Amino acid sequence: QKEVEQNSGPLSVPEGAIASLNCTYSDRGSQSFFWYRQYSGKSPELIMSIYSNGDKEDGRFTAQLNKASQYVSLLIRDSQPSDSATYLCAVNPLRNTDKLIFGTGTRLQVFP
Amino acid sequence: DTAVSQTPKYLVTQMGNDKSIKCEQNLGHDTMYWYKQDSKKFLKIMFSYNNKELIINETVPNRFSPKSPDKAHLNLHINSLELGDSAVYFCASSPNGPFTFFGQGTRLTVV
Repeated sequence: QKEVEQNSGPLSVPEGAIASLNCTYSDRGSQSFFWYRQYSGKSPELIMSIYSNGDKEDGRFTAQLNKASQYVSLLIRDSQPSDSATYLCAVNPLRNTDKLIFGTGTRLQVFP
Repeated sequence: DTAVSQTPKYLVTQMGNDKSIKCEQNLGHDTMYWYKQDSKKFLKIMFSYNNKELIINETVPNRFSPKSPDKAHLNLHINSLELGDSAVYFCASSPNGPFTFFGQGTRLTVV
């Protein structure tokens, strides 16, 4: 089992729709969770972080965490073509380290 | 501009050569990293340094040697390059904790 798993996609959604990206992780001791966006040929860019169970909203983005199910998701409301990118889920697996374990990413395509 | 900057952006070299990638951050962060992203876009940590001290050394061939002259710089030297070393190498930094900010990447192609 991979430490952090994501569906590679592509996930295709029409402009204006809600895009839902999912991620599961294997280490129950994981402390913090991150979503990065990576445009083709560019570096990963941090867009959301979440530490506690529940939802965290930032603009059109909502991160959801369920530690019991070892599940993190990212919702993008009112999806735009400019949201088309690969979304990487990252998990900080252990207390007191700064290491991030990344999933392989989900490619999102938003079509007009 | 405040940033993590790495050079060169592209590096094409022959098998067996030795090459270096330089990284500098002016964000005042204590921790710096090297990550490798392979052709399938899988991003994996290689090393981390905190204030010039090696903290994380993943299972990386010892042909890869990081060097941190000060907390704002973390360079990566690679000896005897192999075809399988072709990848994008990202330098990154973070303040206390795992918030990680990435440089623009160095695309290494070994031919």
